[in-house]
Amino acid sequence: QVQLVESGGGVVQPGRSLRLSCAASTFTFSNYAMHWVRQAPVKGLQWVAVISYDGSNTYYADSVKGRFTISRDNSKNTLYLQINSLRPEDTAVYYCARDRLIRGPVVDAFDMWGQGTVVTVSS
Amino acid sequence: ENVLTQSPGALSLSPGERATLSCRASQGLSSSYLAWYQQKPGQAPRLLIYGASNRATGIPDRFSGSGSGTDFTLTISRLEPEDFAVYYCQQYGSSQYSFGQGTKLEIK
Repeated sequence: QVQLVESGGGVVQPGRSLRLSCAASTFTFSNYAMHWVRQAPVKGLQWVAVISYDGSNTYYADSVKGRFTISRDNSKNTLYLQINSLRPEDTAVYYCARDRLIRGPVVDAFDMWGQGTVVTVSS
Repeated sequence: ENVLTQSPGALSLSPGERATLSCRASQGLSSSYLAWYQQKPGQAPRLLIYGASNRATGIPDRFSGSGSGTDFTLTISRLEPEDFAVYYCQQYGSSQYSFGQGTKLEIK
């Protein structure tokens, strides 16, 4: 069974930084583009960022560009999201998700999701 | 940004009934890059439909998607108790992705 497990969330003061991780197992991680998606409390889904299967391309939502950095380590089967200058509006459940196509272009649906990690930004 | 608007915001139906959920894009989607997800409370979303009309692996055939351009529909032919959830559409026609605001499907 494909598994994605996020970690690194917690309660953080505004202005601080945080790095989220997503550990992948039971599939060839290096074959898939990966995404971060967040969901604020009682809100809908917001796509955050994507990284191509080999890490050569990254794209961000305009609302997080410049503060968020997506990266991956294919040797460790792990996806990361570095969040700097945290704001209260960054409070959300952060999900990692797998792109559907193997080594495909970075334009497809998300066929597997982790259970999410909660980030709360509060003083 | 391609804004997706889902309607209705909430839908109350009984098991066995047919559900029709709508998703309208502010700009036409190329190659029908439209997906539908189901999310239950406390759970991650689950992919139901991709490419506007293709069922994802393991999705029952009571779920179907249709549409093109700017207007898309998710139909659940006969509601089962486990189908009551929030449904989101998503466009992925470029390297910017966006979701609709969701439709909550409630038991009547």
